[in-house]
Amino acid sequence: NAGVTQTPKFRVLKTGQSMTLLCAQDMNHEYMYWYRQDPGMGLRLIHYSVGEGTTAKGEVPDGYNVSRLKKQNFLLGLESAAPSQTSVYFCASSALRGAGELFFGEGSRLTVL
Amino acid sequence: KQEVTQIPAALSVPEGENLVLNCSFTDSAIYNLQWFRQDPGKGLTSLLLIQSSQREQTSGRLNASLDKSSGRSTLYIAASQPGDSATYLCAAWRELVFGAGTILRVKS
Repeated sequence: NAGVTQTPKFRVLKTGQSMTLLCAQDMNHEYMYWYRQDPGMGLRLIHYSVGEGTTAKGEVPDGYNVSRLKKQNFLLGLESAAPSQTSVYFCASSALRGAGELFFGEGSRLTVL
Repeated sequence: KQEVTQIPAALSVPEGENLVLNCSFTDSAIYNLQWFRQDPGKGLTSLLLIQSSQREQTSGRLNASLDKSSGRSTLYIAASQPGDSATYLCAAWRELVFGAGTILRVKS
């Protein structure tokens, strides 16, 4: 029962470094999402995908890029990390948009120094 | 733009008490509303999903209601237990906007 798996779970970066977060789901879901969670601001949508090969911007997309080359994987990239990107990142997936249940990964805690 | 508000921001109750968590949304044109639980340092676990055509959903000691016309949903927890202590979030599906959550502490 893997569900949604995120790697890595923790990472510390220096300003300007790049990194990629990987999200993998084994439920054959079409829709995948990347959120960030910050104290007092709740969950905010960064990017999402409605299927393999597609991506779309969410509420706070600046400074991030994503790719969905395979249906089960959704990658979130930071090309030049900034301290403002220190956050906890969550990946989620759903079979349907708007009607189905949303499943979350355990989160990836990123600190940018 | 959809806005989701949860009241109260934090709640502390003695064990055994029944309690209600509130969620309000500004745009009533939603597909459904979902309630989640988040334990410290963990991801979100889905509790209940209410379709827009439904009025309520029940799972064990949890009952969630939805009133689209007034833009409100409530999560009712019966006979609260210390293990219920967590942050509870609601999310309105269309653009999937989350509330900031209610931090619940149940004291034994």
